[in-house]
Formats: sequence, C-alpha cells, structure tokens
Amino acid sequence: GAGVSQTPSNKVTEKGKYVELRCDPISGHTALYWYRQSLGQGPEFLIYFQGTGAADDSGLPNDRFFAVRPEGSVSTLKIQRTERGDSAVYLCASSLTGTGSHEQYFGPGTRLTVT
Amino acid sequence: AQKITQTQPGMFVQEKEAVTLDCTYDTSDPSYGLFWYKQPSSGEMIFLIYQGSYDQQNATEGRYSLNFQKARKSANLVISASQLGDSAMYFCAMRGYKAAGNKLTFGGGTRVLVKP
Repeated sequence: GAGVSQTPSNKVTEKGKYVELRCDPISGHTALYWYRQSLGQGPEFLIYFQGTGAADDSGLPNDRFFAVRPEGSVSTLKIQRTERGDSAVYLCASSLTGTGSHEQYFGPGTRLTVT
Repeated sequence: AQKITQTQPGMFVQEKEAVTLDCTYDTSDPSYGLFWYKQPSSGEMIFLIYQGSYDQQNATEGRYSLNFQKARKSANLVISASQLGDSAMYFCAMRGYKAAGNKLTFGGGTRVLVKP
C-alpha cells in the first residue's frame, strides 16, 4: 500500500515568508507526528496528533510554528515569518495508534531552505 | 526527560562481517520502547527493529538483532553479514509509555560505510 507522502519535496523561501508543508499519512493510521532534522543530527520531535487533536505540541519551538489535522488524516505544518534557522528537513510519520509498540512510518521529508 | 546517546559518529565495516552500533539511553519512565531506524542517502527513515522494556528476549529481525541490557541502559544494534546496501545512517530512538507521551527521542546517529 501507499506509504506516508509529503509535499513539496523541496521548498525554498525568503526570510520572513509564510510556508505550508503537507503530510498525507498511511490510510487508517490515527497517530501522526512531525519531526525536524537539521543537517548531521537526529530528528527532533515537534508535534503529535491523535485523530484531529494535537495531543502533544511540546516540541514546537515557538509560536511561529503551527500544525493542523482537521479531518484526522492529512496534516499541514505552517511556519510564519520564516527565519534562516528554520532551514531543515521536516519529517512526517504516522502509526496505527499512538500507543504500544507500533512503529512510526516516516515520509520522505520536505527540505526547507530559508534564504 | 529522555536522552539517547550514540557515541560512534562513523564506522567502516567489511562486507560480510558483523557490526555493532552502540546506543545508551536514559529515562525516568518505567515502561518504554527502543527502536532502530536506518536512513539511507535518499533521506527516508526505515524502521528496523523494536525492543520493549519488559520483553524477556532480545529482539531479532532477519540480519538485525538488538542486544538489550536493561541494567546498563544499553540497546546496541548488531547487523550480521553486512551488505553494501547497509551503508547508511543509523538512529537509535526511544519512546516512554507513561510520562513522556508518544514522541520518539532520537540519538545523533552513526554513519556506517560497508567496504567491498
């Protein structure tokens, strides 16, 4: 079946602009996660959705970052007033549920470059 | 708080030999899971193996096995009979099942290069 998809694969934007990154999880997966991976580092947690609600947004770095999942499937990560430090690969993952041993399946990521 | 430490930034391994990737962790959560992911140059994270903190046996998946030593808080990955396609970044991660919610905490990764 189809895996997790993310669009766009690459996004170049100017400092101060607004961007939206989209994630389409595996069908039937109720849990969805966003991570950010800077060059040479492991992914860092941003936010976790269980269904439509954000169950844990403790990883969002500041209020310029916001994410939604209005129908419990597709999610959009929104970044306002982008800064050069926001440049990274943004990874989305989904899992069958948000509990237990269910592994998270990752998408290919969106590489965001802020110039 | 959870923390994962991978002390080996990079390793070379000869094709067909085994390699051990180190991972130590720290958590106050009494129940947790440990995961290993592979990230090839294409960038996608590929799940390899899972170990629950209360599992009695070490996990195995094909050529991958997890050497889980709970008292030492270590969860090393062993790849047997290395293949050229094993060249990639490898990340150890953990998830606490009580206080820490469902997020994965990752280590900094180990880059493995398999030599023919």
